[in-house]
Amino acid sequence: DQQVKQNSPSLSVQEGRISILNCDYTNSMFDYFLWYKKYPAEGPTFLISISSIKDKNEDGRFTVFLNKSAKHLSLHIVPSQPGDSAVYFCAASGTGNQFYFGTGTSLTVIP
Amino acid sequence: SQTIHQWPATLVQPVGSPLSLECTVEGTSNPNLYWYRQAAGRGLQLLFYSVGIGQISSEVPQNLSASRPQDRQFILSSKKLLLSDSGFYLCAWSVKSVEAFFGQGTRLTVV
Repeated sequence: DQQVKQNSPSLSVQEGRISILNCDYTNSMFDYFLWYKKYPAEGPTFLISISSIKDKNEDGRFTVFLNKSAKHLSLHIVPSQPGDSAVYFCAASGTGNQFYFGTGTSLTVIP
Repeated sequence: SQTIHQWPATLVQPVGSPLSLECTVEGTSNPNLYWYRQAAGRGLQLLFYSVGIGQISSEVPQNLSASRPQDRQFILSSKKLLLSDSGFYLCAWSVKSVEAFFGQGTRLTVV
């Protein structure tokens, strides 16, 4: 049972434009959400997170939005750069010790 | 600062052979430790997590086992590998289920 879902396996965006990556979750007990970036044959690296008490968190070019009523979060990258091309995973955690990951979205930023 | 070491980086093993992947964390005490697997074209699947020495929780029944003989050491094992065990294995640590930090991963190919 996939509790965290990323329904878009891939996304292509022109350099300088906005990239929007989406994520949905089913478990209302999740209270912390994270985005990771992964290059091939490497471990994921942490990008940005948001607590369920907030609806927005911004860090430079990266902004995460959380809509708790819709159980939806999104990652905005503005402006997109070719170095942003990677697989992006969203993840969620709750009162337990586990992190649940989505299946990833492969972002390609076209120069 | 905290660091995580995972080895080997790549491994080719025949079907039926044993497996031992090791992960160690430095710079923190009593971390939560995790083993994830990324199969080809799929997301990150949580295999095991541990909140302390000798405490292992299994998320998915399978051909693998995990052990935590020391506070900052996490080992993934198998007595007899299957073809379906091929994948990219990732070790991670966290404190109190905030951000999880990943190792560089092990590419396992079972032939």
